[in-house]
Amino acid sequence: AQTIHQWPVAEIKAVGSPLSLGCTIKGKSSPNLYWYWQATGGTLQQLFYSITVGQVESVVQLNLSASRPKDDQFILSTEKLLLSHSGFYLCAWSLGAQDTQYFGPGTRLLVL
Amino acid sequence: GDSVTQTEGQVALSEEDFLTIHCNYSASGYPTLFWYVQYPGEGPQLLFRASRDKEKGSSRGFEATYDKGTTSFHLRKASVQESDSAVYYCALSDPGNYKYVFGAGTRLKVIA
Repeated sequence: AQTIHQWPVAEIKAVGSPLSLGCTIKGKSSPNLYWYWQATGGTLQQLFYSITVGQVESVVQLNLSASRPKDDQFILSTEKLLLSHSGFYLCAWSLGAQDTQYFGPGTRLLVL
Repeated sequence: GDSVTQTEGQVALSEEDFLTIHCNYSASGYPTLFWYVQYPGEGPQLLFRASRDKEKGSSRGFEATYDKGTTSFHLRKASVQESDSAVYYCALSDPGNYKYVFGAGTRLKVIA
């Protein structure tokens, strides 16, 4: 069975500080990986996707970057956090384009 | 660009009431359509999906039919239960790419 793990579970960070969020998928080889951001009470906004190691495509610009250093790992980061970065960050995977996405448990971020 | 419109932001029903959540989409191609459900503090999980005109998706008593003519994928359930209380998202993915667009979400509250 496939499992998706996100870390950390929650973070409280200061404006201007760096951030790194992680996601690992186990039990699935070469999945497509995605990052989403969700404001409190808001919809899901796709940020990035990756279909192979080392390649990441940006969907929307939010002063964030992503990397895929390993087949099963997806990292979301920024060097300088903004207040607007607060929210719920979700990692997801799928088998192919237009396929069902399976979401992780999420990381809650509060920027003060 | 592609878009998904959910008319109802919040719906409050009593147990055994009939549910309809409206979803209309706009896409350049022939998208795959999804309904996801999200419980507090968790990532969304798939209810069902449909890829062709007139295809009906269903799960846990919920159902929706892909209607290309009216560009709709309305969610229905004949008799809701308190445990159905959650946020429901309609989403689409266009053919041949890895971008997913979610609607604003509909918060369903079912009162026992």
